[in-house]
Amino acid sequence: GQQLNQSPQSMFIQEGEDVSMNCTSSSIFNTWLWYKQDPGEGPVLLIALYKAGELTSNGRLTAQFGITRKDSFLNISASIPSDVGIYFCAGQWTGNTPLVFGKGTRLSVIA
Amino acid sequence: DTEVTQTPKHLVMGMTNKKSLKCEQHMGHRAMYWYKQKAKKPPELMFVYSYEKLSINESVPSRFSPECPNSSLLNLHLHALQPEDSALYLCASSQVSTGGETQYFGPGTRLLVL
Repeated sequence: GQQLNQSPQSMFIQEGEDVSMNCTSSSIFNTWLWYKQDPGEGPVLLIALYKAGELTSNGRLTAQFGITRKDSFLNISASIPSDVGIYFCAGQWTGNTPLVFGKGTRLSVIA
Repeated sequence: DTEVTQTPKHLVMGMTNKKSLKCEQHMGHRAMYWYKQKAKKPPELMFVYSYEKLSINESVPSRFSPECPNSSLLNLHLHALQPEDSALYLCASSQVSTGGETQYFGPGTRLLVL
């Protein structure tokens, strides 16, 4: 089945640093979604991308839908302690097809 | 409002018990989902309901039985579970818009099978 390669698997950064993570796929998607999950909680939607080349921001978060439709990245600027968690990318071909998830990036922020 | 609610938050059950997980959304979304998530892994799709009809069953064992009583509610009935079924069970809902389709997740039910 389809797989997403999400990297890095984990990151340890200093508070205030910028963070970048990405997902790549062997096949194209028409939707890219980025979620953040805290321990014991459900994933929370951060950014949704629907068009190739689209660049969308949500506060300190910026995500882009790759022009080839096979990749997406998420940037977090000026990280703070509450950014700690697991970030998942997810791709979707059409509205009637299941999401394909990356394996997640575990972010740790050192104050 | 993009809220999906789930009850209970935590559940402990024996292998002979029967229990149910409940999910509710009032966003008018046409699709609802059940996922299973193990620690440090991404969510795994179990079932999809579209317009209250089961559209996807990802080869889930029959000890898990989904039910969609109406467009706002989704249940997952559990019977004769195994310890390896212990996991976080997530409900999600989605609606197609002009931009695309986006899934919103509930907070999950943490299930422990003894």
